[in-house]
Amino acid sequence: GAVVSQHPSWVICKSGTSVKIECRSLDFQATTMFWYRQFPKQSLMLMATSNEGSKATYEQGVEKDKFLINHASLTLSTLTVTSAHPEDSSFYICSAWGGRGTEAFFGQGTRLTVV
Amino acid sequence: GNSVTQMEGPVTLSEEAFLTINCTYTATGYPSLFWYVQYPGEGLQLLLKATKADDKGSNKGFEATYRKETTSFHLEKGSVQVSDSAVYFCALRGNQGGKLIFGQGTELSVKP
Repeated sequence: GAVVSQHPSWVICKSGTSVKIECRSLDFQATTMFWYRQFPKQSLMLMATSNEGSKATYEQGVEKDKFLINHASLTLSTLTVTSAHPEDSSFYICSAWGGRGTEAFFGQGTRLTVV
Repeated sequence: GNSVTQMEGPVTLSEEAFLTINCTYTATGYPSLFWYVQYPGEGLQLLLKATKADDKGSNKGFEATYRKETTSFHLEKGSVQVSDSAVYFCALRGNQGGKLIFGQGTELSVKP
């Protein structure tokens, strides 16, 4: 099946710095990718829809200047958490539709800890 | 808007017990329905899916039937194993946008 790879799997950063998370579709092209955030023991909250070659579509309440999304190619989307603060600590997961668009494949997630 | 509601966990069962995790949805049109499983510290894996009413999705002994009349997609397994311990998410994909809407997740713990 299709594979979505996310990197890094975990990162610890200092408050005020920026962190970039990469999401790659390894064996298929993804014109659209999705970024989710998950708090401990909670569900996945959709943050934004990443569209190749155009601006991302953010869900209500998500700060676009805080969470920068770039989808520069058909196989790569990046999420940059700018000026990170401890409240940004969370598990971030990306996904893309593969298998002729009938199945969503998820990256393994990135655990972000801001200290 | 579209939404998914699933039973709260955690659910604790003994090995070989019968499992049911309830899931109901609200959606316009004809959504596709999914069950995903998440093991600790990992992303989500598709467990099964159904794309139209009365379809039954099945995988690894798990089953769920798309019931439009009751707007439900309950997950069942006849005999659970310790290795089934994980968090299970019910989700739907509407007709627009392709984004998945998730339920709150149900943690399953199977004891030997």
